[in-house]
Amino acid sequence: SYELTQPPSVSVSPGQTARITCSGDDLPKQYAYWYQQKPGQAPIVVISKDSERPSGIPERFSGSSSGTTVTLTISGVQAEDEADYYCQSADSSGISWVFGGGTKLTVL
Amino acid sequence: QVQLVQSGAEVKKPGASVKISCKASGYSFSHYYLHWVRQAPGQGLEWVGVVNPIGPATTYAQKFQGRVTMTSDTSRSTVYMELTSLRSEDTAIYYCARAWRDCSGGKCYQYHFDSWGQGTLVTVSS
Repeated sequence: SYELTQPPSVSVSPGQTARITCSGDDLPKQYAYWYQQKPGQAPIVVISKDSERPSGIPERFSGSSSGTTVTLTISGVQAEDEADYYCQSADSSGISWVFGGGTKLTVL
Repeated sequence: QVQLVQSGAEVKKPGASVKISCKASGYSFSHYYLHWVRQAPGQGLEWVGVVNPIGPATTYAQKFQGRVTMTSDTSRSTVYMELTSLRSEDTAIYYCARAWRDCSGGKCYQYHFDSWGQGTLVTVSS
């Protein structure tokens, strides 16, 4: 079955830039989405369609795509950004959806 | 506003079945597909499947095929997920989530999950 691969953890100091990658063979054919999940809460979308920022999401969140890898970039990381981040996409048919394994962002 | 309200926590024995519900309000129920996503304790998100609210189309993750059934009751604006032959590895929070859907030129596409239920904890233990 189709898989998306993320690093388990990323650590940055406040004010620095965090980059979280997600790799998958079908990413050139399907949009990717990024979700932020804090403990005890449901996820919220922070990036849609590879690089679109939904309303209400701070400008420091951005997304990009290159080949089979998509990247979530958080510029000027704040303590409140500490959370788990998941990429999500679909297989080439668009029928079967999938999440990456998740990346724990730690703000030092 | 959009609300997805799920049924309460369940405790089941191995081999049993569980059926949980997700009641939608605040939008046109028939327009948006509803998905089920689960999260085992301390683990990541896992897509279980999707149901067309006006039926009968459903798609299940390969891992759950044969054990999961998703249905919809338009009169109650509610979708259901039933999982059978439960095992301890099925212990998880189960979320229903609405996928944003946009239609143009006669074609409709689903995009990100824009609303989530509060989650239903299913515990499988002997």
